[in-house]
Amino acid sequence: AQTVTQSQPEMSVQEAETVTLSCTYDTSESNYYLFWYKQPPSRQMILVIRQEAYKQQNATENRFSVNFQKAAKSFSLKISDSQLGDTAMYFCAFMNGANSKLTFGKGITLSVRP
Amino acid sequence: DVKVTQSSRYLVKRTGEKVFLECVQDMDHENMFWYRQDPGLGLRLIYFSYDVKMKEKGDIPEGYSVSREKKERFSLILESASTNQTSMYLCASSLSWGGNSNYGYTFGSGTRLTVV
Repeated sequence: AQTVTQSQPEMSVQEAETVTLSCTYDTSESNYYLFWYKQPPSRQMILVIRQEAYKQQNATENRFSVNFQKAAKSFSLKISDSQLGDTAMYFCAFMNGANSKLTFGKGITLSVRP
Repeated sequence: DVKVTQSSRYLVKRTGEKVFLECVQDMDHENMFWYRQDPGLGLRLIYFSYDVKMKEKGDIPEGYSVSREKKERFSLILESASTNQTSMYLCASSLSWGGNSNYGYTFGSGTRLTVV
């Protein structure tokens, strides 16, 4: 079974600064996908970024980028130029390519300070 | 705008009641999922369905059942609600296994259930 670990329950960052959220996972699969989801106070889960395990290049979406270290089974999210609207809970998630079930970490609460 | 709709945003039920949580998607997705979200535990999979009338147990199915009579609707049933089922419940859908399903899920906005 896959496990996803987010060891930091909370983080805080000053507006306009950069913050990195950490995530590690454990799997014996070779075909898998990794995701970061954002859940603002509205509770709507929003996909932030997606990484395919077979791609070495790190995914990037505007101010969001990942540092995917496959050998270390690490998948951290970097948020550049933090904005107040980035305040949310962030979940790291793993998808097995064979059955497409998502396994989530426990989440991290990010607060952006004005 | 495509979406997953959960019928209730907040729900309060009494212990022992039979509770139905409804979820409808308009994206013609084959797969549908029910998760519960608790502080410090993240999201845990209760049940999922990859086709009409099909269902599979997730990681924490005890005390729950599901129904999928139509492709667009997936219901979570608490046969006899208990206080330890007080939680946030999230429904999600995705395309069929493999291929585009690896683009992740579309989620509803959640139902916060309180059992008193």
